[in-house]
Amino acid sequence: AQTVTQSQPEMSVQEAETVTLSCTYDTSENNYYLFWYKQPPSRQMILVIRQEAYKQQNATENRFSVNFQKAAKSFSLKISDSQLGDTAMYFCAFILPVNSGNTPLVFGKGTRLSVIA
Amino acid sequence: DTGVSQDPRHKITKRGQNVTFRCDPISEHNRLYWYRQTLGQGPEFLTYFQNEAQLEKSRLLSDRFSAERPKGSFSTLEIQRTEQGDSAMYLCASSWGGGGSYEQYFGPGTRLTVT
Repeated sequence: AQTVTQSQPEMSVQEAETVTLSCTYDTSENNYYLFWYKQPPSRQMILVIRQEAYKQQNATENRFSVNFQKAAKSFSLKISDSQLGDTAMYFCAFILPVNSGNTPLVFGKGTRLSVIA
Repeated sequence: DTGVSQDPRHKITKRGQNVTFRCDPISEHNRLYWYRQTLGQGPEFLTYFQNEAQLEKSRLLSDRFSAERPKGSFSTLEIQRTEQGDSAMYLCASSWGGGGSYEQYFGPGTRLTVT
C-alpha cells in the first residue's frame, strides 16, 4: 500500500522568508504523480503544484517549488517570499495512474503553516 | 463554471437519522471522488465514479454509506443511521480522466456533526 508521511505537524515562518515543508512517501511503483495541496482555514483545498515521477526536473509555480528526490522517495515543498495568505494546512498527496483510470489520492496528515507578520 | 460545489455546507443531525449530501463536479470532468476528513488528518478516500459507474469503494465505506451518480453528472452520498463517529468533513473532488491529467479539484466540503 502507498503511504505518505509529513513529519512536521506545525511550522511557522516570518513574512518574506523562505520555508520548506517535508514529505516522504512509500511505493514500489515507478510511475506516479505527486501533489501539494493547500487548505486555508475554513476554505477549500487548492492544488499548489504537481510533479510527475518520470520527470527529473523539479516543478516550479511562481513562489512554490519542489525538491523531488525519487531514489529517496522525498518530495519537499519550498515557499519563497512567504506571504500572510500562505497561512494554511499543506497536504502532500500521491496518486498511481493505474491502467486508464485514476486511483484515489493518498494524503499525508498535513503540515500547518503559519506566516507571521 | 465556478468549480466543484457541495450542498449543504454544514449539517447537524441527531444520531440515528439519515443524511444526504450532494456534489456537483466541474461540468467536463468525468471522474468524481468522495473523501472524508477528520480534524487534524488528511482526507481519506471513500469512493469514486467514472461517469455513472462506481468503480471503487474504500473499506471505510460501511454498509450504512451509499453513493450514486445518476447520469454521470452530480453525485449524492447518503449516510443511514448516523453515528457520532460519522462526524467529519465530507469532501468531493472531480477530475478529467483523459490526457494524463491527474489533478483533482475539490469542493468546499460538507461538515457533518452528529449529536
